[in-house]
Amino acid sequence: DAKTTQPTSMDCAEGRAANLPCNHSTISGNEYVYWYRQIHSQGPQYIIHGLKNNETNEMASLIITEDRKSSTLILPHATLRDTAVYYCIVRVENSGYALNFGKGTSLLVTP
Amino acid sequence: KAGVTQTPRYLIKTRGQQVTLSCSPISGHRSVSWYQQTPGQGLQFLFEYFSETQRNKGNFPGRFSGRQFSNSRSEMNVSTLELGDSALYLCASSLALGYNIQYFGAGTRLSVL
Repeated sequence: DAKTTQPTSMDCAEGRAANLPCNHSTISGNEYVYWYRQIHSQGPQYIIHGLKNNETNEMASLIITEDRKSSTLILPHATLRDTAVYYCIVRVENSGYALNFGKGTSLLVTP
Repeated sequence: KAGVTQTPRYLIKTRGQQVTLSCSPISGHRSVSWYQQTPGQGLQFLFEYFSETQRNKGNFPGRFSGRQFSNSRSEMNVSTLELGDSALYLCASSLALGYNIQYFGAGTRLSVL
């Protein structure tokens, strides 16, 4: 799996967009970018994933740069319930073995 | 569709005891993975089961074991508990072996005294 780098923590005001960056400069051509989040005292939750095109679902949008060396998870209108640790994981699709969650970004959404 | 169910949610044990944790995956999911989460080490992979067979194993001592039943439900067992085994144990299910989209339960919080 390619190494990822995320900021340790970020703040966002409620109602504003939260933009969470992830650097993955050594990503291979067949590796996808996955995002999970973990709300305090709960299990991680899958959010979204993508290869090279931007992706959007009901939870978030994923923007991947053209060179694929970085990506941004966007929560368009953050709520207090979005306060969580967000993990960016890069790996080949359905490649087996464990997900490597790393340390992630702790997002605090404030009123 | 019901999510991943883990029981019990909380457990308190003493050193030297053993413990069994249970996980019921999402209906139709055949792969179950177990993770240990501690403040110091983060999320660490324990093992993955598919078709009643352990397919992958993390770097944990043999005191940690598991099994999967024909209905895909899984249990993990920790024998001779140590203080350092205190952690949140998470179970995740996925459609098949090695899938990157996994669905996690709420976890079992184990405290070893």
